[in-house]
Amino acid sequence: DVKVTQSSRYLVKRTGEKVFLECVQDMDHENMFWYRQDPGLGLRLIYFSYDVKMKEKGDIPEGYSVSREKKERFSLILESASTNQTSMYLCASRGSGSKPYEQYFGPGTRLTVT
Amino acid sequence: KQEVTQIPAALSVPEGENLVLNCSFTDSAIYNLQWFRQDPGKGLTSLLLIQSSQREQTSGRLNASLDKSSGRSTLYIAASQPGDSATYLCAVDPAGYALNFGKGTSLLVTP
Repeated sequence: DVKVTQSSRYLVKRTGEKVFLECVQDMDHENMFWYRQDPGLGLRLIYFSYDVKMKEKGDIPEGYSVSREKKERFSLILESASTNQTSMYLCASRGSGSKPYEQYFGPGTRLTVT
Repeated sequence: KQEVTQIPAALSVPEGENLVLNCSFTDSAIYNLQWFRQDPGKGLTSLLLIQSSQREQTSGRLNASLDKSSGRSTLYIAASQPGDSATYLCAVDPAGYALNFGKGTSLLVTP
């Protein structure tokens, strides 16, 4: 089974702190994604990466950056956390093989910025 | 940008009923369409994926159909159970990378 894990289920940070959210997948997938999910707004893409050290902006990249130094790991960085970044953050991955297009999600990180 | 709409936003049915969830999208040029289930406070679980060349996919009591020309997909759930209560999300893949999601249908199946 494909497994996507996220470093924390719940996180509480203060305004202005630098926050790291880590995501690891174990299926050698080329593509990895970070979404945020908010009530009434649904899932929105922040960034994605299609290869090591490669990244593309999604719909709402402002206030975020990402890092992909190894194929299995994709990090989301909040340079200076703000209260409007309180949200559920979901990581996903997708690759090739018997299911070339299916996207798999991690359990999510509920981030609260106070 | 591809817009994805799910109707209804919420649905409550008694146990045992068959039900249909609807998804529509604005651009028929898609690679595939994927249905997910999300339980409260959890991540998304993939239910079914329909490639653009396919018309439907089935898994157990679930059947998803795709009509690209009309920009519609339906998820049919047979003989619903209380354990089916969750939010169901439809997502289209326009370019082979990230997905465009609908806002979901919140389903409650009552005993």
